Amino acid sequence: GESVGLHLPTLSVQEGDNSIINCAYSNSASDYFIWYKQESGKGPQFIIDIRSNMDKRQGQRVTVLLNKTVKHLSLQIAATQPGDSAVYFCAENRPRFQGAQKLVFGQGTRLTINP
Amino acid sequence: KAGVTQTPRYLIKTRGQQVTLSCSPISGHRSVSWYQQTPGQGLQFLFEYFSETQRNKGNFPGRFSGRQFSNSRSEMNVSTLELGDSALYLCASSSGRGVNTEAFFGQGTRLTVV
Repeated sequence: GESVGLHLPTLSVQEGDNSIINCAYSNSASDYFIWYKQESGKGPQFIIDIRSNMDKRQGQRVTVLLNKTVKHLSLQIAATQPGDSAVYFCAENRPRFQGAQKLVFGQGTRLTINP
Repeated sequence: KAGVTQTPRYLIKTRGQQVTLSCSPISGHRSVSWYQQTPGQGLQFLFEYFSETQRNKGNFPGRFSGRQFSNSRSEMNVSTLELGDSALYLCASSSGRGVNTEAFFGQGTRLTVV
């Protein structure tokens, strides 16, 4: 089915280091992207979003970068903590019309923080 | 503010049976979307409801259906269950207005078909 691609299925980083999770998308008309974090046994948790009229957006310890030329999205997590261990999904909204919701998800990257 | 509530959390059903899952969105949200999550296919969009009307549909067979009530609560139904329907079913709530709005997920219902 439809999907947004991810480059790596797993990523391990040392506690305190920065991590970068990448995502490629195929629909050049997509104008809204979201990163979600999913911990074991829980639903996806909204982290940060970005609209196509932006290249970068920052939150608390997280930054999302959008490169529309190569259709690439990345999530940077600064100073990783054990609680950051989870599966991270990128998603794009492909609604039929404005206001509607239809999220297309990547396969996810499992981030492991090593002590 | 209460989050998205899904019930039940776990279900075990037999092939051929049908099942109904429930989702209560965040208060004030009028859009409810449903997703299926499996290890092989990842998160797949099922459908979205807004003001009791389905306005987006994914690529799932007609055995998968849903509805939304006037209080924005939504149910999804799967008839004639197959083993491959075993999955985590997630619903997401959003305001449904504006250009692009955040979607918040519930904990999901884990369905096992035996």
